[in-house]
Amino acid sequence: EVRLSESGGGLVQPGGSLRLSCAASGFTFSSYAMSWVRQAPGKGLEWVSTILTSGMTYYADSVKGRFTISRDNSKDTLYLQMNSLRAEDTAVYYCAKDWYDCWGQGTLVTVSS
Amino acid sequence: QAGLTQPPSVSKGLRQTATFTCTGNSNNVGNQGAAWLQQHQGHPPKLLSYGNNNRPSGISERFSTSRSGNTASLTITGLQPEDEADYYCSAWDISLSAWVFGGGTKLTVL
Repeated sequence: EVRLSESGGGLVQPGGSLRLSCAASGFTFSSYAMSWVRQAPGKGLEWVSTILTSGMTYYADSVKGRFTISRDNSKDTLYLQMNSLRAEDTAVYYCAKDWYDCWGQGTLVTVSS
Repeated sequence: QAGLTQPPSVSKGLRQTATFTCTGNSNNVGNQGAAWLQQHQGHPPKLLSYGNNNRPSGISERFSTSRSGNTASLTITGLQPEDEADYYCSAWDISLSAWVFGGGTKLTVL
C-alpha cells in the first residue's frame, strides 16, 4: 500500500524555524517527484515546493528564500526546512507524490506569538 | 503566481450531473491538462484525474474530465450524497516552473 506520513508540525513563534518530514512507503520513493502543498484554515490548496528525482527544486514565490525542500532516498523521506516563519505560513502541510496521486494526512504548522 | 479560475460553488440535485470548469492559459492547462482533486471536510485531497483525462485506478467512472483549449472540465454523473466535497484543479505552469491551483469549487448535493 502506498503511504505518506508527515510529521514535525507544531506551534512556532514568528521568525522561528521548523523542519517537516514525510515518510514514504509502498513505492520506489527515488523514482518519483514529490511535493509539499499547504492549506490555511478554511482556505484552498496552495502549492509550496516540488523536488524532482534529479534533485532539482521549485518553490512558490511566497516561500522562496525561506523554505528548502530536500529528499533522502536512502531513508525514503521528504523534508521541508522552514525558516523565517510568518503568521501567513500557518496551515496544514501535506506531502504528495508525483501528479498528486497519493497524499499524507497532513501536519499542522501554527505560527503565532 | 497567478492561479487557475474555478467557480466558488455548484449546487445540483441527487442523481443529477454536475460540471466544474477550470480556466488557465496556454502555459498550464492548455499545455499538459489539469489534475482534479476531491477533498472532503477534514480529510486530505484525493486525486480524481490527471494530465489529459487519465483516471487513477479505483476512481468511479462517474467522474470524467475533458479539456478545450485552456479550460479543463470535470463532470460527475449520477450525483450521490458522498460527492458533496470541494473540488480543486491544478496544473504545472511551464512558464512559472510552478504548480498552480484553482481556488476550489464547493459542490452541494441537494
